[in-house]
Formats: sequence, structure tokens, C-alpha cells
Amino acid sequence: GAVVSQHPSRVICKSGTSVKIECRSLDFQATTMFWYRQFPKKSLMLMATSNEGSKATYEQGVEKDKFLINHASLTLSTLTVTSAHPEDSSFYICSARASGAKFSYEQYFGPGTRLTVT
Amino acid sequence: GDSVTQMEGPVTLSEEAFLTINCTYTATGYPSLFWYVQYPGEGLQLLLKATKADDKGSNKGFEATYRKETTSFHLEKGSVQVSDSAVYFCALFTGAQKLVFGQGTRLTINP
Repeated sequence: GAVVSQHPSRVICKSGTSVKIECRSLDFQATTMFWYRQFPKKSLMLMATSNEGSKATYEQGVEKDKFLINHASLTLSTLTVTSAHPEDSSFYICSARASGAKFSYEQYFGPGTRLTVT
Repeated sequence: GDSVTQMEGPVTLSEEAFLTINCTYTATGYPSLFWYVQYPGEGLQLLLKATKADDKGSNKGFEATYRKETTSFHLEKGSVQVSDSAVYFCALFTGAQKLVFGQGTRLTINP
């Protein structure tokens, strides 16, 4: 149980275009979902926290207009990278916290999406 | 701010060797500490945790002890297997209810 999927697993897009990444909790409902970004040989950096039905909370330094997050249902959150540039190339990972989780730290992670902007 | 530092990888060992991956942290208060493992093509999975000083987390033969005096949470296993090859992340859970990760250590076990 507690499986989180991401789609696509890899995407290549041209500079200036937008790309959407989906994160789904497959067998549980997730009140809260998290989006992380990982640079090569660097740790995962939290970008934003999204709660179902409300606006996402972005971490300091993350452009909310560039990284649009939507959490419209209890099983789906999307991250849209708008007007992508090569410096947006990275590995994006989502995680989900189950509704009613006993501990706040309990998160289930997706396998990640490799974005390459050419 | 809160941070986690892991030993640089990659780490390559032979099967049945002893494993240590060092992890130290900086945090205000008393965070909970975790080790996550990421197998190829899969998401991070919680391997073990410790929520207070001197606690020992253990799972699948791996152990880590929460050492407040040295602000460390080193991961150990007495005899590694090829199937342990993965990327390992040390992490802490902050008072602001966020996970802060180390940079990850890639482990390769050769038969």
C-alpha cells in the first residue's frame, strides 16, 4: 500500500514552453502533498506544500508564478513549470501525506520526474 | 537553519562487508531523524527512524542511533547484500513540520 506515482518519468521540452507533472496517490487519500527539487549530488529541496482545495505554500526563493501547483483532489497534485528555461532542468519529486496520518512526518514519495529543458 | 550533512559517495563495497554511512545534523530543538532508501526507479522509502536522543532505529539489518552529544545519526549494517545497492538519504523533521534531507549517498554492493 501507500503508493505514489508520477507522470511522466522523463520529459524533454523546449525553452519557453510549459510542462506539467502529475503526482497521484494510488491507494490512499492525501490531504497534503509536497513538491521537492533535487539538483545533481544535492539534497532534495522542498519547493512547496499543497493542501487539497487550497493554495500551495511556497518555500522562500521559489517563484510561485513559475512553478504552478494545483491540488484539486485528494489523489492528484500537479506541478506546472511555466516558460521553462534550461536552469529549470532538474529532478522533481513529489510526496503525499495520507489523510489522518498519525505522524506529521509520514510521507510517501513518488519515483520522481526528470525534466530537461533544451 | 536546519541542515543535514552526509558522507560523500559513491560507496562501493563487497558483499558481506560492514557498512557505515555518516550523517550529522544541525537543528534547533530536538528533531526526529530518519534514513530513507531509494532503489532504482522507485520513490524514497522510510528505512528507519528515531524520535529522541539515544533511540536506536532498526530495519532490515540496518541500524542508526540518535546521538545528541555528537549530533549524529550514522547508518550501519553488519553484512551488506547486493540487494542493498541504492541511494540512502539521511533526513530530519523540523519544528516547522518539514523534512530536511542530506544530499544522498549512492551505495553499490558487488557480489
